[in-house]
Amino acid sequence: DVKVTQSSRYLVKRTGEKVFLECVQDMDHENMFWYRQDPGLGLRLIYFSYDVKMKEKGDIPEGYSVSREKKERFSLILESTSTNQTSMYLCASSPAAVNTEAFFGQGTRLTVV
Amino acid sequence: GNSVTQMEGPVTLSEEAFLTINCTYTATGYPSLFWYVQYPGEGLQLLLKATKADDKGSNKGFEATYRKETTSFHLEKGSVQVSDSAVYFCAVTYGNNRLAFGKGNQVVVIP
Repeated sequence: DVKVTQSSRYLVKRTGEKVFLECVQDMDHENMFWYRQDPGLGLRLIYFSYDVKMKEKGDIPEGYSVSREKKERFSLILESTSTNQTSMYLCASSPAAVNTEAFFGQGTRLTVV
Repeated sequence: GNSVTQMEGPVTLSEEAFLTINCTYTATGYPSLFWYVQYPGEGLQLLLKATKADDKGSNKGFEATYRKETTSFHLEKGSVQVSDSAVYFCAVTYGNNRLAFGKGNQVVVIP
């Protein structure tokens, strides 16, 4: 089974702190994604990576950055958290083949106070 | 870009009732279509998929048919169970394997 593992299920951080959300996949997938999920808004793409050291902005990249130094790991970085970044963050991966499904991690619920 | 519209609002129904969740999409090219399910406190799991027009995806009693003429991919189940209570998301591929999601529908099945 494909496994996508996010480092934390729940995080509570203070405004202004730096936060790293880590994601690891074990299926040698080329593509990795970070989404945030908010009630009434569904899933919105923050960043996307299609190869090591490659990244593309998604729909809502402001306030976020990413790092992909190894194929299996994709990190989301919040340089200085704000309360409007309180959300569920979901990591996903997919193979390079066109039009294939993505596999999701269990999510990280981040609360910024 | 490609996008998905799901019917508004939660869906509440009794056990053994028939479930339909509407999904329409806008797309260029030949995208794939998916339904994902999210149980409380969990990430998304793939429920079913269809990769070309007229394909029917099915899994766990759920079905959806890729209708290019009506740009729809409605999810149906003939007899729901309490364990089907979850949030359901419709999604379409675009670009380099990105997915565009609908806003999701909360389904609550009452015993």
